[in-house]
Amino acid sequence: NAGVTQTPKFQVLKTGQSMTLQCAQDMNHNSMYWYRQDPGMGLRLIYYSASEGTTDKGEVPNGYNVSRLNKREFSLRLESAAPSQTSVYFCASSEVLAGEETQYFGPGTRLLVL
Amino acid sequence: AQKVTQAQTEISVVEKEDVTLDCVYETRDTTYYLFWYKQPPSGELVFLIRRNSFDEQNEISGRYSWNFQKSTSSFNFTITASQVVDSAVYFCALSEYSGGGADGLTFGKGTHLIIQP
Repeated sequence: NAGVTQTPKFQVLKTGQSMTLQCAQDMNHNSMYWYRQDPGMGLRLIYYSASEGTTDKGEVPNGYNVSRLNKREFSLRLESAAPSQTSVYFCASSEVLAGEETQYFGPGTRLLVL
Repeated sequence: AQKVTQAQTEISVVEKEDVTLDCVYETRDTTYYLFWYKQPPSGELVFLIRRNSFDEQNEISGRYSWNFQKSTSSFNFTITASQVVDSAVYFCALSEYSGGGADGLTFGKGTHLIIQP
């Protein structure tokens, strides 16, 4: 049981390049999320998927697209990377216990855009 | 819109001291959930506790305790007899979804706790 996995762990991009961050969970969770963490800002929600086949914007969706490929996988794509997208990206999935959900996070992807 | 404020950017204490991390939240919903997460220097996020808006009982888990007060919209976290391993960034978070979390969490900016030996 690997939990939530993310690839790659670290990536350097040049401005204008594109890339896809991959996320997978093996806990059979319905909901998945992408957050970004910037120094002094906490974590901010980019996009989420409440169930397979649905996606919704979070607080900071501009410059990103997502795909819920299946129940296990939720990818985040940067079509044209900008230095402002330099950040640590966390994927999360949530489970329901006694009617209450809790989010579990992946290890993060550090992205540097030059 | 919901908001979480962690006014303490950084706290430094000597090992074995007690320390309290403050969290104040804003929400218009009557049903909401509050969370605390720990982020050690290694960078991963570790779930510590979830509390729903209908349960104001204080929670104790070993050296950790949480005080939830709806009257002051606060959900404070106390570490008793702190240890060096408690050094981390601690985040308070809020969810307004009735099931807790499905729409995503709103995080505070975090408190960096430094425990000096």
